[in-house]
Amino acid sequence: DQQVKQNSPSLSVQEGRISILNCDYTNSMFDYFLWYKKYPAEGPTFLISISSIKDKNEDGRFTVFLNKSAKHLSLHIVPSQPGDSAVYFCAASLALNRDDKIIFGKGTRLHILP
Amino acid sequence: ETGVTQSPTHLIKTRGQQVTLRCSSQSGHNTVSWYQQALGQGPQFIFQYYREEENGRGNFPPRFSGLQFPNYSSELNVNALELDDSALYLCASSLVGALNSPLHFGNGTRLTVT
Repeated sequence: DQQVKQNSPSLSVQEGRISILNCDYTNSMFDYFLWYKKYPAEGPTFLISISSIKDKNEDGRFTVFLNKSAKHLSLHIVPSQPGDSAVYFCAASLALNRDDKIIFGKGTRLHILP
Repeated sequence: ETGVTQSPTHLIKTRGQQVTLRCSSQSGHNTVSWYQQALGQGPQFIFQYYREEENGRGNFPPRFSGLQFPNYSSELNVNALELDDSALYLCASSLVGALNSPLHFGNGTRLTVT
């Protein structure tokens, strides 16, 4: 039972264009969402997060959008750079759960093409 | 600031054996969480330790156990290893009390069970 779903295993985007990574969730109780980025042989690195009381959060080239009614969030990267090539994990949690149980999706591998 | 460090980086064990993985949390952090990432999957929450006690557990059998030490470092022990335990084991630290403090992951230990 996958509570956080990333339906695109991989995505290729031209350098300089916008990368859009999508994520769906099933548990309406989730109230905090995160994106992590992972390079090979490294652990996941926190990228950006959003609380369920917001619908958008921006940090430099990275913007996360949350559509609660559709139980959908997306990560926009613009402009895409070669160093953005990595696996991106969408994750969700219950803020009231202070046990750091974060539910991760399976990840989307982003390839930035020269 | 010292990040999360894990040892060893790679390990090969035989089915039925026991294994201990180690983690030093990021300086200033007081909780440690352990995640299992199987091939092609996102990280799955095993458990978290806070104040040297288990503070939340995912859907893993009792043969997965842990410890947290006064210096906030941690161990993950797995008894009676099974082939399906082959995975990347990730340790993450955070600061309880800091609202929505994101997890900081180590680079993981790659466990292979033969």
